[in-house]
Amino acid sequence: AQTVTQSQPEMSVQEAETVTLSCTYDTSESDYYLFWYKQPPSRQMILVIRQEAYKQQNATENRFSVNFQKAAKSFSLKISDSQLGDAAMYFCASQGGSEKLVFGKGTKLTVNP
Amino acid sequence: AAGVIQSPRHLIKEKRETATLKCYPIPRHDTVYWYQQGPGQDPQFLISFYEKMQSDKGSIPDRFSAQQFSDYHSELNMSSLELGDSALYFCASSLATITAERGPYEQYFGPGTRLTVT
Repeated sequence: AQTVTQSQPEMSVQEAETVTLSCTYDTSESDYYLFWYKQPPSRQMILVIRQEAYKQQNATENRFSVNFQKAAKSFSLKISDSQLGDAAMYFCASQGGSEKLVFGKGTKLTVNP
Repeated sequence: AAGVIQSPRHLIKEKRETATLKCYPIPRHDTVYWYQQGPGQDPQFLISFYEKMQSDKGSIPDRFSAQQFSDYHSELNMSSLELGDSALYFCASSLATITAERGPYEQYFGPGTRLTVT
């Protein structure tokens, strides 16, 4: 079984600054994947970044990067140079192999101008 | 690039009625997942299909059924609708093989069908 915990229901950041969203997970799978999804007010689920658990190197996608601590089962998302368009609900999710995604409860990010 | 298509985008039904949601995966994707997202909640897995066979089942009520057809599109059938079924229903598709461009099993979500039961 997999569980994902996001302990920050809401976060805020000033435009152009950096913010880190926290996520911890638990899984019995030896081969698994971790994701951050963004859900703006349109409710579309948008993949932000992915991390294969067997890779030690932290994933990076432009202004988005993760801090993957496998032993601690931690997978935080860092957003640099925050933009107004980054305001959204962010979901951390885990996936074992070809199985379903298990989501955390989400963190609502507000970006202040 | 082609994305996952869901229809209808919005649906209003009354209690005890039946609803059918359709999902058209990205071309060549062989796996379809259905998720339900209630108001203010995270998406919850309902059911998945791989190569037209059910591959996994989550917290899907017995009133719901689903299938994947020969052209890989999928339909979620919901009967005896209840007020609590009001939610956003997502379909996601993936390719169960590794490619050079992306890792395995990465799921791409459709825009969702917003079901309102009155």
